[in-house]
Amino acid sequence: QSALIQPPSASGSPGQSVTISCTGTNRDIGGHNYISWYQQHPGKAPKLVIYDVTKRPSGVPDRFSGSKSGNTASLTVSDLQAEDEADYYCSACADFYYVLFGGGTRLTVL
Amino acid sequence: ELQLVESGGVVVQPGGSLRISCAASGFAFDDYTMHWVRQVPGKGLDWVSLINSDATKSYYADSVKGRFTISRDNRKKSLYLQMNNLRPEDSAFYFCAKGSGDSSWYLDYWGQGTQLTVSS
Repeated sequence: QSALIQPPSASGSPGQSVTISCTGTNRDIGGHNYISWYQQHPGKAPKLVIYDVTKRPSGVPDRFSGSKSGNTASLTVSDLQAEDEADYYCSACADFYYVLFGGGTRLTVL
Repeated sequence: ELQLVESGGVVVQPGGSLRISCAASGFAFDDYTMHWVRQVPGKGLDWVSLINSDATKSYYADSVKGRFTISRDNRKKSLYLQMNNLRPEDSAFYFCAKGSGDSSWYLDYWGQGTQLTVSS
């Protein structure tokens, strides 16, 4: 049960776009579309921002988008805002009996 | 309003046992898969276990398999995690989370967590 691989950090200036990658295997990311992304601000519980690779829960701005190619999923945050500064975690169902998280990416808005 | 409130986190000695709880309100608890996820302060999320809506299926991370048991009481709208043979590396905040209606694999609401410290 190895964690999904994310870059430890990413950054961008307000108004710019940033993409965070998440690499797994064909047993998780590459094997289905049960892929999600979570945002976590310091001291807060995580919040679901993307599911089914590309879908946004109600209330999540359309500045957040997701995609997948092969064994790599990506989260793009467009038109960066100060409030987007947070940790972001990808997640995928693995072998259809457990959940994997990525190691997390700290997004800094410069 | 949907709420998940964890309780039971304390300091426990290595080798000890503890049961933590999660009280749910504001949604039809017995319709949803529930999860436990842990996080060492300053570190990443670590999935622990899930249980389906009628408690007929449960799955565990390899790191806790055989030591932790997830359970639920749908009449009490409560989720539990029985933790035995605790190790220092089990020290973390433990979050309960609700599985999404779209898929049990998505965690759409989270509690604020309860902190477990395993130390002598």
